[in-house]
Formats: sequence, C-alpha cells, structure tokens
Amino acid sequence: DIQLTQSPSFLSASVGDRVTITCRASQGISSYLAWYQQKPGKAPKLLIYAASTLQSGVPSRFSGSGSGTEFTLTISSLQPEDFATYYCQQLNSHPTFGQGTKVEIK
Amino acid sequence: EVQLLESGGGLVQPGGSLRLSCAASGFTFSSYAMSWVRQAPGKGLEWVSAISGSGGSTYYADSVKGRFTISRDNSKNTLYLQMNSLRAEDTAVYYCAKAAYSSVGSGDAFDIWGQGTMVTVSS
Repeated sequence: DIQLTQSPSFLSASVGDRVTITCRASQGISSYLAWYQQKPGKAPKLLIYAASTLQSGVPSRFSGSGSGTEFTLTISSLQPEDFATYYCQQLNSHPTFGQGTKVEIK
Repeated sequence: EVQLLESGGGLVQPGGSLRLSCAASGFTFSSYAMSWVRQAPGKGLEWVSAISGSGGSTYYADSVKGRFTISRDNSKNTLYLQMNSLRAEDTAVYYCAKAAYSSVGSGDAFDIWGQGTMVTVSS
C-alpha cells in the first residue's frame, strides 16, 4: 500500500498566521490526493481534491498544491474555526490517509 | 439535504459479529461509490472498504479482508458492512462516506460523511 507521511504532526499557530502542511507519498500518485479537516467528535470535512481543487463551499484561504510524491495544504490566514486536525488521503483503489496534523492555538 | 446516517454499532465480544447500516438521502444513491472509514479512539483515519455504485466491485483493506463484507441495496438507499470475527483492534468509530463524483469505487475523494457509529470489541 502507498504510505503518506504528514509533517509536522503538531503545529502551534496564531490567528492570522500562514500555515503550511506537507504530505509525502511513498510512491507517485499523480494528483490523486485530497485534504480533510476534522474537529473533535465530528466527521471529516473535504477541503481539497485532485491535489489543488477547492471543494464547493470551502473558504478560499485554503489551497492545495503538488503532484507526484509531495503535496502541501496552505491556510493563508488562520481563522479561529480552522483549529482542527488535517489529514491527507491518496485516492487509488486502496485509499490511505496520512497520520494527521493537529493545528492548535499558540 | 444530502445526508448519511449510520446505525448498528455497539459492544460485541471478540470473535463476534455486527452489521452496520448507512441510510442515504438527498442524492441518487446508485450513482455514487460508497466507502467505510474507521477511526480508533484517539487515532487517525483508516479506510476500510469501498463499493461501486452498482455493487459489482468491492475493495477491502488488508486488515479486514476475509472478515468484513461490504454491500449495498440501491432500492433501499442503504449501505452495509457485515463484520465477522471481530477483534479488539476493530474498536473504532465507523463512518460511511460518499464518493464525490464517481460510481466507480476508486480514485475519488469523499465529500459527504455520516456522523459515525461506535463499535467496541471487548469481553
């Protein structure tokens, strides 16, 4: 199976900060990558698919980039509602998730 | 409103069985692949299984292959996960999730998720 490694695993940031999370795949996955946000006790929410396409209704401060084995999720100006855990997911026939990046308030 | 509602979770002894259901509404159920994703307490997300829109293709994680069976009844807009030979490590919240754009069963993100149902495997 394809392994995904996110970095960092934990991130402390302030409102207004620019935040970048990296996801590395163990082999090339073209642009078959999605990003999700999960808040405690809630189901994940799709933010980005096809590596860089913003899901309908998701604020434009979220953006994704990359292809092949290295991908990034960027939040241009962190808002209070963005403190959550973020997961990347590769989308082949046996999808796998990264281990998650928890974004907490500094 | 597009909605998924899981049911069927609970406490089961090791070696036991459980069947989860996921009732879908607000979209043409048969047009989309569906998946089950689980999350052990305090841990990350793990994809479990997927099924194509027609039900003709199924996929499983190695950790559940041979023990779990995914199925769907498009006439009832319902997805199922039959779980046999349950182990302590199967303890998790189980989510059903809808493929964003495809009926194929692979290669698609999950745009709608249910609220989850808790499965606890313990003696």
